[in-house]
Amino acid sequence: QVQFVQSGAEVKKPGASVKVSCKASGYTFTSYPLHWVRQAPGQSLEWMGWINAGSGNTKYSQKFQARVTITTDTSATTAYMELSSLRSEDTAIYYCARGGYCGGGGCSFAMDVWGQGTTVTVSS
Amino acid sequence: EIVLTQSPGTLSLSPGERATLSCRTSQSVSGGYLTWYQQKPGQPPRLLIYGASSRAPGIPDRFSGSGSGTDFTLTISRLEPEDFAVYYCQQYGSLFGQGTRVEIK
Repeated sequence: QVQFVQSGAEVKKPGASVKVSCKASGYTFTSYPLHWVRQAPGQSLEWMGWINAGSGNTKYSQKFQARVTITTDTSATTAYMELSSLRSEDTAIYYCARGGYCGGGGCSFAMDVWGQGTTVTVSS
Repeated sequence: EIVLTQSPGTLSLSPGERATLSCRTSQSVSGGYLTWYQQKPGQPPRLLIYGASSRAPGIPDRFSGSGSGTDFTLTISRLEPEDFAVYYCQQYGSLFGQGTRVEIK
């Protein structure tokens, strides 16, 4: 079955960087976009960006444009999200999710499979 | 700046009742690229509705989506105990609304 397994929880100091991995299995990795979404404690979901796993092209939210880098290793069917210059407000659960869902109703931008989430805590 | 506004923030209902959740966008969403997700505590979001009105596989038919342009609705015809959760709308696979919590009255 299609699944994502994300890397474990991280604790970082302000100003540091974090790199979260997302190992995909059960489908052709290069055929779907891969998104990163985060959720701060008690808050809504926040889209960070996505990567075309086939071409490597990326698109980032303006909010994170200067600090986030999304990459893939297609041979390892793994995506990565690196966030730099961390601050306390970056404390959140970070999810990877497969986009571009196509069903009987047609193709869409919907995200149909999600990773389990990686908790990143930024604290001095 | 595009904004998605969900209302109400919290909906207090009893099992068996009908839930109507609203999602309004500040700019028209073309092609029905409006998605609904359900999230329960400690879990990642789950895809419910894509293309504004198509149910994802395995989603019960008590869930339905409708709307076009800037006004969209998620309806749960008769709430089951497992439906009490937070629901998010999303446009174009990017911006999310702030969510509607459906809680047991």
